[in-house]
Amino acid sequence: NAGVTQTPKFQVLKTGQSMTLQCAQDMNHNSMYWYRQDPGMGLRLIYYSASEGTTDKGEVPNGYNVSRLNKREFSLRLESAAPSQTSVYFCASSLQGGGYTFGSGTRLTVV
Amino acid sequence: QQQVKQSPQSLIVQKGGISIINCAYENTAFDYFPWYQQFPGKGPALLIAIRPDVSEKKEGRFTISFNKSAKQFSLHIMDSQPGDSATYFCAARRHSGNTPLVFGKGTRLSVIA
Repeated sequence: NAGVTQTPKFQVLKTGQSMTLQCAQDMNHNSMYWYRQDPGMGLRLIYYSASEGTTDKGEVPNGYNVSRLNKREFSLRLESAAPSQTSVYFCASSLQGGGYTFGSGTRLTVV
Repeated sequence: QQQVKQSPQSLIVQKGGISIINCAYENTAFDYFPWYQQFPGKGPALLIAIRPDVSEKKEGRFTISFNKSAKQFSLHIMDSQPGDSATYFCAARRHSGNTPLVFGKGTRLSVIA
């Protein structure tokens, strides 16, 4: 039972490069989320998808785009990476109104 | 606007002691209050959760206390162990609908022998 799978686990980008973080869940959850975690800042919501076919902005959406590809997959894209986007990114999923299952994270460094 | 305020930021407890982490929320529509535990290099994992129809929920050494009138809830870890050393996050959301969880900023707990 894989749960929530994130790829890649580590990535180093140069400023201005683009990349897509992948997330897939196998729990038949309706909702999926992208958070970033920075020291002292807790978990901040970037984007979420309440159900297949819908996406909404969270607290810190600038510089990011998302795609809910199907019920299982929710990707996060950085079009032009900036050093301020250096962070640990977590994907999570849930049933409606329920608790989250998190992935193991992607550690991204932008130089 | 921080909707869930968590304290303290860090906590050091002796082995066998009680660890207490507090959270306060603002939105009276919140009706689901989970706690997550995160070990270094891992994603957060659901530890225990409570809904406001009860004032306390206990699972093993972990207890959530909930005070609806004060809009506060807390996590108590009894007989704290070095293996409990982790970062703990409180969170809140409306159970109905698909609104996301709002997280506190986390508490780094260190249990020393």
